[in-house]
Amino acid sequence: DAKTTQPTSMDCAEGRAANLPCNHSTISGNEYVYWYRQIHSQGPQYIIHGLKNNETNEMASLIITEDRKSSTLILPHATLRDTAVYYCIVRVMGGGADGLTFGKGTHLIIQP
Amino acid sequence: KAGVTQTPRYLIKTRGQQVTLSCSPISGHRSVSWYQQTPGQGLQFLFEYFSETQRNKGNFPGRFSGRQFSNSRSEMNVSTLELGDSALYLCASGTGDTGELFFGEGSRLTVL
Repeated sequence: DAKTTQPTSMDCAEGRAANLPCNHSTISGNEYVYWYRQIHSQGPQYIIHGLKNNETNEMASLIITEDRKSSTLILPHATLRDTAVYYCIVRVMGGGADGLTFGKGTHLIIQP
Repeated sequence: KAGVTQTPRYLIKTRGQQVTLSCSPISGHRSVSWYQQTPGQGLQFLFEYFSETQRNKGNFPGRFSGRQFSNSRSEMNVSTLELGDSALYLCASGTGDTGELFFGEGSRLTVL
């Protein structure tokens, strides 16, 4: 699986959009970008994934650059409950199940 | 739909003992994977089972083992416990062909 680079921590004001960047310059053509988050003392939670098109669901939006070397997770209206560690992961979909490789992630702190 | 259930949630063992942790996946999911989370190493993949077969294994010693039953429930076992095995052990279930995993709350193991 390709490696990812994320900032260690970020702050965002409550009610504002939180934009979390991720670099994955060595991503392969068949690798997807996945985002998970982990709220303190809980198991990780799946947020969203995409291949090359922008994706949106009820939790967030995922913007992938045209060259696919980076992406941004957008939480449109951050709340205090969005404070968590956010992990960006790239992996192949299907064809077996290599474990997810979690890096250090970004600790997002939502400020009141 | 019930989520992933892990038991026990907390346990304390002493060095040299062994421990068995249990995971019940979401109904219909045939893939169960296990992760170890420690403050120093973060989230690390242990192994993944699909339809009772281990498909992939992380870089852990042979003291760590697992199995999956015909109803997809899974157990992991750690023998000859060491202090460094103290961690949060997380189980995740999925369909087996995507990176969208659903995690349990984890079993927190303390080795004294």
